[in-house]
Amino acid sequence: NAGVTQTPKFQVLKTGQSMTLQCAQDMNHEYMSWYRQDPGMGLRLIHYSVGAGITDQGEVPNGYNVSRSTTEDFPLRLLSAAPSQTSVYFCASTQGSPYEQYFGPGTRLTVT
Amino acid sequence: LAKTTQPISMDSYEGQEVNITCSHNNIATNDYITWYQQFPSQGPRFIIQGYKTKVTNEVASLFIPADRKSSTLSLPRVSLSDTAVYYCLVGDMLSGTYKYIFGTGTRLKVLA
Repeated sequence: NAGVTQTPKFQVLKTGQSMTLQCAQDMNHEYMSWYRQDPGMGLRLIHYSVGAGITDQGEVPNGYNVSRSTTEDFPLRLLSAAPSQTSVYFCASTQGSPYEQYFGPGTRLTVT
Repeated sequence: LAKTTQPISMDSYEGQEVNITCSHNNIATNDYITWYQQFPSQGPRFIIQGYKTKVTNEVASLFIPADRKSSTLSLPRVSLSDTAVYYCLVGDMLSGTYKYIFGTGTRLKVLA
């Protein structure tokens, strides 16, 4: 049982490039979400999904797209990277208890 | 969504009990209160969750007064390894609210 996995761990992009951050969970959780955390700040919700085929926006969705074709996977796409998207990105999943979310190890993204 | 307010930072010494209070004046009837712990460069980790009165587990206790407008996380006999950021969240996924907000959290520093 690997829990929540994220790839890559580190990524450097140039402004305007696109990329996909991968997130997978093997706990059969219905709910998955993406957060970003800027240095010294709390986590901000980007997008979330309440099941395969269902996604919705969080607090800061602009510049990001998501899809949920399977229960296990919830990729986050950056369409055209900007320096303001430099951050650590965390994926999380949960099932059952409303707030016992399990977090992945994070992806540290730098946009130059 | 219920907004939470916590102290920005706290210092304590090893072996002391630490109490971190969270205010959530507009908590809804069905909302649960959940606390997470985050170490540097890691995703948050669930600590404890409660609805009213007192909840205790092997890590912490959670005290919730009758009006539920605040809650207190109690960490008994802290050690250096308890140095982390602690987040209080309120909300209820079962009522359809999944956009729960982490806020800035309380940065606890345990001193030797």
